Amino acid sequence: EVQLMESGGGLVQPGGSLRLSCEVSGFTFSSYAMSWVRQAPGKGLELVSCIGGSDGGTYYADSVKGRFTISRDNSKNTLYLQMNSLRAEDTAEYFCVKRDYPGNTCWPLFDYWGQGALVTVSS
Amino acid sequence: DIQMTQSPSTLSASVGDRVTITCRASQSINNDWLAWYQQKPGKAPKLLIHKASTLHSGVPSRFSGSGSGTEFTLTISSLQPDDFATYHCQQYCTYSGTFGQGTTVEI
Repeated sequence: EVQLMESGGGLVQPGGSLRLSCEVSGFTFSSYAMSWVRQAPGKGLELVSCIGGSDGGTYYADSVKGRFTISRDNSKNTLYLQMNSLRAEDTAEYFCVKRDYPGNTCWPLFDYWGQGALVTVSS
Repeated sequence: DIQMTQSPSTLSASVGDRVTITCRASQSINNDWLAWYQQKPGKAPKLLIHKASTLHSGVPSRFSGSGSGTEFTLTISSLQPDDFATYHCQQYCTYSGTFGQGTTVEI
């Protein structure tokens, strides 16, 4: 059974940092591109970042470029999102998501989602 | 970036109704790379349909998708109690994978 479990969410002040983790099981993690998708309260979904399966190629939305860094540890089956210089508009539920088919390309079709980690940026 | 617009934003319906949601793209979506997701309150989205009309594994046949180019629809042929949720369309022909703003189907 495919499982994705996020952790690391919480309350942080504007300008602060936070690191999200996503531990996965039930599939060959290193073979799949993985992404983070966020949803602000009462709003739609936004693809934040993606990382390739083994080549480490990355994609960032313009809204987070230069502030967020996506990474992965294939030996630990874990995906990360380092978030720096956080702003109020980064407040959202952050979902760890798996691409539909094996591959290094950040193809944004997602067949499994984690339950989400809530990040609140407020003073 | 391709912008995705769904209509309506909210839809009131009853069990047994036929329901249609529309998704329009700001430019043509190559190869009909358009997906639909279902999201219930407090839960993660679930993939329903990809490539505009292909049902994801395990999705009931009352769900169907159609369309091409810039206009796509999601249809629920006979609404069931479990179908009251928010539905999101998404283009995946570019890396930005933009989503629509969502359509909530309520009782």
